[in-house]
Amino acid sequence: RKEVEQDPGPFNVPEGATVAFNCTYSNSASQSFFWYRQDCRKEPKLLMSVYSSGNEDGRFTAQLNRASQYISLLIRDSKLSDSATYLCVVAEGFKTIFGAGTRLFVKA
Amino acid sequence: NAGVTQTPKFQVLKTGQSMTLQCAQDMNHEYMSWYRQDPGMGLRLIHYSVGAGITDQGEVPNGYNVSRSTTEDFPLRLLSAAPSQTSVYFCASSYDQGQDTSYEQYFGPGTRLTVT
Repeated sequence: RKEVEQDPGPFNVPEGATVAFNCTYSNSASQSFFWYRQDCRKEPKLLMSVYSSGNEDGRFTAQLNRASQYISLLIRDSKLSDSATYLCVVAEGFKTIFGAGTRLFVKA
Repeated sequence: NAGVTQTPKFQVLKTGQSMTLQCAQDMNHEYMSWYRQDPGMGLRLIHYSVGAGITDQGEVPNGYNVSRSTTEDFPLRLLSAAPSQTSVYFCASSYDQGQDTSYEQYFGPGTRLTVT
């Protein structure tokens, strides 16, 4: 079983749609949780950290359920520019494990 | 700041050749890592360093060596290239921010390596 699992997609959605990504992790000692965004043939970049209380950044909302070892990312009012691969990331201290990513295509 | 820089951007090697992928950061970050990214596999940790003079193995270290003689530089050496090492290699740096964003990884642009 992979340490961090994501639905690979792709998710094909129209502009303005709401889309949700899910992620599960196996290491209960994990301490930090993130969503990264990776554009085609580019390096990953931090989208947002995920806090136990849930957090929101504009159109993006991240949730963490430690009991179920589950992380989610919700994107509201999708834009064409949201098309990318979204990586779920789990860390225990410095050591970081990346999910394989979920591809999102937003169409006009 | 240039951030994290990697050279070369592209490289083609023949089986058995050796080479060094260069990585440098100018942010004075303690932690540096090398990852490889293959289709459907996500990023896998090859080696990492928690400071100058200290390195350790990650998930897929075989066939690779690293050293960290300075805070800024973290080169990755392929000892004898194999076709299975065809991949995209990313170097990253981070530091302990002492809060929930601890260890945010800053990535270089990547090196695309093909071994024939």
